[in-house]
Amino acid sequence: AQSVAQPEDQVNVAEGNPLTVKCTYSVSGNPYLFWYVQYPNRGLQFLLKYITGDNLVKGSYGFEAEFNKSQTSFHLKKPSALVSDSALYFCAVRDSGAGSYQLTFGKGTKLSVIP
Amino acid sequence: DAGVIQSPRHEVTEMGQEVTLRCKPISGHNSLFWYRQTMMRGLELLIYFNNNVPIDDSGMPEDRFSAKMPNASFSTLKIQPSEPRDSAVYFCASSLRGTTGELFFGEGSRLTVL
Repeated sequence: AQSVAQPEDQVNVAEGNPLTVKCTYSVSGNPYLFWYVQYPNRGLQFLLKYITGDNLVKGSYGFEAEFNKSQTSFHLKKPSALVSDSALYFCAVRDSGAGSYQLTFGKGTKLSVIP
Repeated sequence: DAGVIQSPRHEVTEMGQEVTLRCKPISGHNSLFWYRQTMMRGLELLIYFNNNVPIDDSGMPEDRFSAKMPNASFSTLKIQPSEPRDSAVYFCASSLRGTTGELFFGEGSRLTVL
């Protein structure tokens, strides 16, 4: 079975400060890892993914995430937060096996960027 | 390109009524997923279709729920009869199987059962 943990229900950060949203995962094989963002009353939007290669992945809106295999983590980061980054963030994992389709989501972390 | 299109965006109905939610996936995508989102349970996968065939419906809560995909461009999720505990946001998502598999979500259908 695969799982995702987002240990913080909410993260508060001041505008202009760096932000980190934490994610750890468990999967039997090699992971495909994803971050999605959800704004109020909207669907989930894809931000970035790790498939293989460089452990630092860059995505949309200036976000990046670092894959750490030994710590089974995939934390989302941004050097300078914007008020418009305030949203709900979901980490997700999928086994990289050929027959795998199930994307397992974490419970989400609400990010609030304070002006 | 148009994204995943869902309708209706909002539905308010009374207990016992039939509810039908609709989804048009992104053209060319061959995998379609229905998810349910609630505060208590987060995002739950209800059913997964590949090439219009249901592959995994283990997440469908009970026999009151059914889903169909008659062709590559249309899917429905039906609840009959509806109950207050079915109140949630229902999302449809599509992807291209055989790729790294990121999902593209619709805007969701918010269902309220009174």
